[in-house]
Amino acid sequence: ETGVTQTPRHLVMGMTNKKSLKCEQHLGHNAMYWYKQSAKKPLELMFVYNFKEQTENNSVPSRFSPECPNSSHLFLHLHTLQPEDSALYLCASSQGLASDEQFFGPGTRLTVL
Amino acid sequence: SQQGEEDPQALSIQEGENATMNCSYKTSINNLQWYRQNSGRGLVHLILIRSNEREKHSGRLRVTLDTSKKSSSLLITASRAADTASYFCATDDAGNMLTFGGGTRLMVKP
Repeated sequence: ETGVTQTPRHLVMGMTNKKSLKCEQHLGHNAMYWYKQSAKKPLELMFVYNFKEQTENNSVPSRFSPECPNSSHLFLHLHTLQPEDSALYLCASSQGLASDEQFFGPGTRLTVL
Repeated sequence: SQQGEEDPQALSIQEGENATMNCSYKTSINNLQWYRQNSGRGLVHLILIRSNEREKHSGRLRVTLDTSKKSSSLLITASRAADTASYFCATDDAGNMLTFGGGTRLMVKP
């Protein structure tokens, strides 16, 4: 257990559905991250939040919408996704930004039909 | 663009042997980190080495950093079947974000 939990662990959705991924960290960290991991591609940083404020949006399509209501919770709202969005979505947290060690959740395996 | 690139992409060894993975990067860094990922799971931090350090040890892990060559290596000694996983290096770029390489898939055969 890394202190970062993600739900659901698996999700199958159609292209017209709306769903949300949830991440919670119990480490008292200030920064939280969403990453996308596709087969045979490096881990891609999607969004970064520091003290609940979004500090990075890595040219992510608007069909992905993050929300950070407090320093412990992070959501990723999904709507009208494409099959190529199927991937493992990983949440991570760290005490401060960037140079600090990041703690990852187990991920949500998303399949878009 | 990708900052860290691991080499080899895949490595298969027998239990008890040592495993060496390399990481090259392009720009100046503050530190370099190594992570491990079991299949379909989250990443686990292994070790962080700062730009002013040349070598660091943690248990059976040994990491070296050569900033003049912009490269790092991870050595796992006396490997075990449980070490089977993917290993990633990560560097902090100019924007102070971590950038991960494509990883090395290590298979340790019993």
